[in-house]
Amino acid sequence: QVQLQESGPGLVKPSQTLSLTCTVSGDSISSGNFYWSWIRQPAGKGLEWIGRMYTSGSTDYNPSLKSRVTISVDTSTNQFSLRLASVTAADTAVYYCARERRVEWIEMFDYWGQGILVTVSS
Amino acid sequence: DIQMTQSPSSLSASVGERVTITCQASQDISSFLNWYQHKPGKAPKLLIYDASNFETGVPSRFSGSGSGTDFTFTISSLQPEDIATYYCQQYDSLPFTFGPGTKVAIK
Repeated sequence: QVQLQESGPGLVKPSQTLSLTCTVSGDSISSGNFYWSWIRQPAGKGLEWIGRMYTSGSTDYNPSLKSRVTISVDTSTNQFSLRLASVTAADTAVYYCARERRVEWIEMFDYWGQGILVTVSS
Repeated sequence: DIQMTQSPSSLSASVGERVTITCQASQDISSFLNWYQHKPGKAPKLLIYDASNFETGVPSRFSGSGSGTDFTFTISSLQPEDIATYYCQQYDSLPFTFGPGTKVAIK
């Protein structure tokens, strides 16, 4: 059974960089045809896809966040990470990591973490 | 970006009742649509992929249909454990986008 678990600071000051890690267990992060993604949900709002990374190193980011986002994968620790620079209160949200499975033309988030609340406040 | 809308935003139904949620895309997305169930404090769960295909282990009371811009998600007989928020999500083009969710409660 694949499991994902987010970790990182729950409080970040404005203008600083938010850094989160997702630990994958139950399978190797470098196996299979998978992307490793981050998704967030501000309180009372919908889900927003942040971006993804393939184990080859290729990345895709939401254009609305692209200038501030970096996603990286560490196959040696079976983890992947999110860095979001220059945060503001608008970045306060529950952040989820997720595995995206691709089968031919079909793409789906088949495993998610439980989410971690990150608050941006001084 | 492709905009996704869902209706209703919330609903209340009796145990055993049939529940239907609709999802509409702002442009043709063929069948490139998934449905997720999200319970508070839990990881979201994939139920339906490619508009109408069951993820492994998902009860058969859940189903999906549609193509193009209009999609439907159905719970054929609502159970107490189905209390959750349900989201549609398109993967026709990046950035992936989600519907605003439909909160399902027991009457």
